[in-house]
Amino acid sequence: GQQLNQSPQSMFIQEGEDVSMNCTSSSIFNTWLWYKQDPGEGPVLLIALYKAGELTSNGRLTAQFGITRKDSFLNISASIPSDVGIYFCAGQLEGYGNKLVFGAGTILRVKS
Amino acid sequence: SAVISQKPSRDICQRGTSLTIQCQVDSQVTMMFWYRQQPGQSLTLIATANQGSEATYESGFVIDKFPISRPNLTFSTLTVSNMSPEDSSIYLCSVSGSGQLPMNTEAFFGQGTRLTVV
Repeated sequence: GQQLNQSPQSMFIQEGEDVSMNCTSSSIFNTWLWYKQDPGEGPVLLIALYKAGELTSNGRLTAQFGITRKDSFLNISASIPSDVGIYFCAGQLEGYGNKLVFGAGTILRVKS
Repeated sequence: SAVISQKPSRDICQRGTSLTIQCQVDSQVTMMFWYRQQPGQSLTLIATANQGSEATYESGFVIDKFPISRPNLTFSTLTVSNMSPEDSSIYLCSVSGSGQLPMNTEAFFGQGTRLTVV
């Protein structure tokens, strides 16, 4: 089946450091979405990417849609304590409409 | 983005019973989905809720266990039937398809229903 490989599985970083996480797949995606989920809440959309090579920023967040359409990364600059949470990548597979495939998630913990 | 209200937010249920979860959106959307998130895990798609017709289920999920309704473009329900402790999870409603391309491919989530089966 379709699979997204998300890494790292977890990170424990100092406040102020930059963070990077990525997702890769053997399948081609039409859209890449990055979400953050806080405890007890549903995932919140952070950034959406629509075409290969696209680089998009949202405040301290930057994400890119890989040229091959099989990967994406998310960077967080100058991390702060409220960045803690679980980050998920999700992709919409070519030919599967709006259905999403999710990565396993990256747990981010920030030391203040 | 659409505002999604999901009820109940949490419940504790006896095994063998059923629970119906409601999802209400503040605007018409093309697509509505139901996901399951088991403890400490990622999200798994259960089914696509189709307006006016039977839902489309993913592999491993069946209508008898997870009946779904979608009477209109703003509302859907998911029932978890004949529950067992293995059904303890977060169940999430998701919508997409409002607005113009390409943004109408973005998916938004409700806050989830945390179900515990005892």
